[in-house]
Amino acid sequence: GESVGLHLPTLSVQEGDNSIINCAYSNSASDYFIWYKQESGKGPQFIIDIRSNMDKRQGQRVTVLLNKTVKHLSLQIAATQPGDSAVYFCADSGGGADGLTFGKGTHLIIQP
Amino acid sequence: GAVVSQHPSRVICKSGTSVKIECRSLDFQATTMFWYRQFPKQSLMLMATSNEGSKATYEQGVEKDKFLINHASLTLSTLTVTSAHPEDSSFYICSASLQGTGEQFFGPGTRLTVL
Repeated sequence: GESVGLHLPTLSVQEGDNSIINCAYSNSASDYFIWYKQESGKGPQFIIDIRSNMDKRQGQRVTVLLNKTVKHLSLQIAATQPGDSAVYFCADSGGGADGLTFGKGTHLIIQP
Repeated sequence: GAVVSQHPSRVICKSGTSVKIECRSLDFQATTMFWYRQFPKQSLMLMATSNEGSKATYEQGVEKDKFLINHASLTLSTLTVTSAHPEDSSFYICSASLQGTGEQFFGPGTRLTVL
């Protein structure tokens, strides 16, 4: 698959503030997009996903936005907490039995 | 639900030896499992797609004779790193897919260190 890129390698936010992590993907055939959180030494943890027939999906404190026109994906985390500190990856696939193409990752740092 | 386990979590081996890593879906049947590799401070890279009862499909640049994959049942896939070398040291992560959904559930990863 084609690579998925991220704009910022590190994002530092104050505790309690909202954070936005961005991602650009390149495969126009991708129809399934996921955000994962990875803590040091652990496997990726599913946060939220969205399919190409939607442009917004909300979860608990998180919102994913999909702009297919410009192939852009974002993750919004509301009221960040210390436990949100981690590396966040976007990933995409063509769905079905396809493997995922991961972005480079953004390290989110929550400052007290 | 949808728990995936890996064993071992960490392994250290000598150069030239082989190492087997197991990936199990604990509470669901996974017709497809995936193997990823992650080097320090880098992203996950898909190595291969493993389908139960058939040969694995390897990504470009991944040597199938070096990374042997066996998906013998709907709940178990194994990755064997043969004749391991220090450059094979990495974090190996598997995922299992729920049939028809495209969702993948990841294992906790296996840290391989080749001396």
